[in-house]
Amino acid sequence: SQELEQSPQSLIVQEGKNLTINCTSSKTLYGLYWYKQKYGEGLIFLMMLQKGGEEKSHEKITAKLDEKKQQSSLHITASQPSHAGIYLCVADTGNQFYFGTGTSLTVIP
Amino acid sequence: GAGVSQSPRYKVAKRGQDVALRCDPISGHVSLFWYQQALGQGPEFLTYFQNEAQLDKSGLPSDRFFAERPEGSVSTLKIQRTQQEDSAVYLCASSLASGLVAGELFFGEGSRLTVL
Repeated sequence: SQELEQSPQSLIVQEGKNLTINCTSSKTLYGLYWYKQKYGEGLIFLMMLQKGGEEKSHEKITAKLDEKKQQSSLHITASQPSHAGIYLCVADTGNQFYFGTGTSLTVIP
Repeated sequence: GAGVSQSPRYKVAKRGQDVALRCDPISGHVSLFWYQQALGQGPEFLTYFQNEAQLDKSGLPSDRFFAERPEGSVSTLKIQRTQQEDSAVYLCASSLASGLVAGELFFGEGSRLTVL
């Protein structure tokens, strides 16, 4: 949607490399969710960010929300084949949810 | 249109009423997903189709929920004897790919169901 821009659309990286996925909203966010989806599976919740400047980490995945609460990044350190899938950001503007178009990540062993 | 189309956009149902929600995926898209999103929460997976085959329905919350995609294009999510807890936005997404990597997901705008 125009309200939420996610980039890049696809990413192919060598195992062990770092990568970053970005989501930018045209509106101030009440919350920003990151999801991962593998083939034929549902969305797997990764992290939720609500406060400006907030940063959360889970294993080798770190997500940040900027101070203005309009931009979030998802960073994977030392990528592994298990990280492959689609990463989706979902923005909560308070009265509606907006979805990024997803980033398809392929990790080459 | 060029995107995923869902109808109706808004539906108000009385408890116990049956509802049907329609999803028109992007033409040629093989994969189709339904999600349920309750107020204030992220979307939760309901079911997945590859063409006309329903490969995963593990997310359907009860046997009152039924989804079909008989010709591998349009899909219908049916909820029988609606309950108040069924109130949510129902999202449909489609994807061109059907291989090991699902590919980019394109979401519809959702059907907002309110059960009174």
